[in-house]
Amino acid sequence: GAGVSQSPRYKVAKRGQDVALRCDPISGHVSLFWYQQALGQGPEFLTYFQNEAQLDKSGLPSDRFFAERPEGSVSTLKIQRTQQEDSAVYLCASSLAPLAEKLFFGSGTQLSVL
Amino acid sequence: KQEVTQIPAALSVPEGENLVLNCSFTDSAIYNLQWFRQDPGKGLTSLLLIQSSQREQTSGRLNASLDKSSGRSTLYIAASQPGDSATYLCAVIHGSSNTGKLIFGQGTTLQVKP
Repeated sequence: GAGVSQSPRYKVAKRGQDVALRCDPISGHVSLFWYQQALGQGPEFLTYFQNEAQLDKSGLPSDRFFAERPEGSVSTLKIQRTQQEDSAVYLCASSLAPLAEKLFFGSGTQLSVL
Repeated sequence: KQEVTQIPAALSVPEGENLVLNCSFTDSAIYNLQWFRQDPGKGLTSLLLIQSSQREQTSGRLNASLDKSSGRSTLYIAASQPGDSATYLCAVIHGSSNTGKLIFGQGTTLQVKP
């Protein structure tokens, strides 16, 4: 595709449900990042992949958060037993080269936990 | 811990005005600083990137400056237009090497009135 694609665009979950958020980076992009953006705040780093390797997961807020990129392309961010504080927009970004400074962001998935 | 702050949180100006958005960071040890634009429901678009050794960058009506020693950056927008209405975010990569991990401010929401 032409850009970074994220799905679903909106997700409503009941507290305690598990959710899976998908990111399709630009074809051929090596680096992939996940960020969490709470309402009225700037994005916060969650995790970074280089190809299929998860090189940095220091931003994941708890062990309920898990991300994978098994074939080095599509990535999934999974949140188990969702809590109200998980409500946020989850942004995915990719870049062509490892740690390239030119990042391309998707439009995000807005997660609402009721 | 590196923290990024943006003031003001919101700004409304009439069309044609020149304006300045401010960004400050607590630790001068940065690899680079970027300014992004975010439109409602959309991802982030990179506007300008300043390396730690640079003082400013320009693109069209936008000019970004960096003063590492004082921990400040400004984004100057000349002759503002209604199409400039968006949230502007600044972000730094902390440290002396490129970790790819962006630390964002909370953003300034700009409204340019026709």
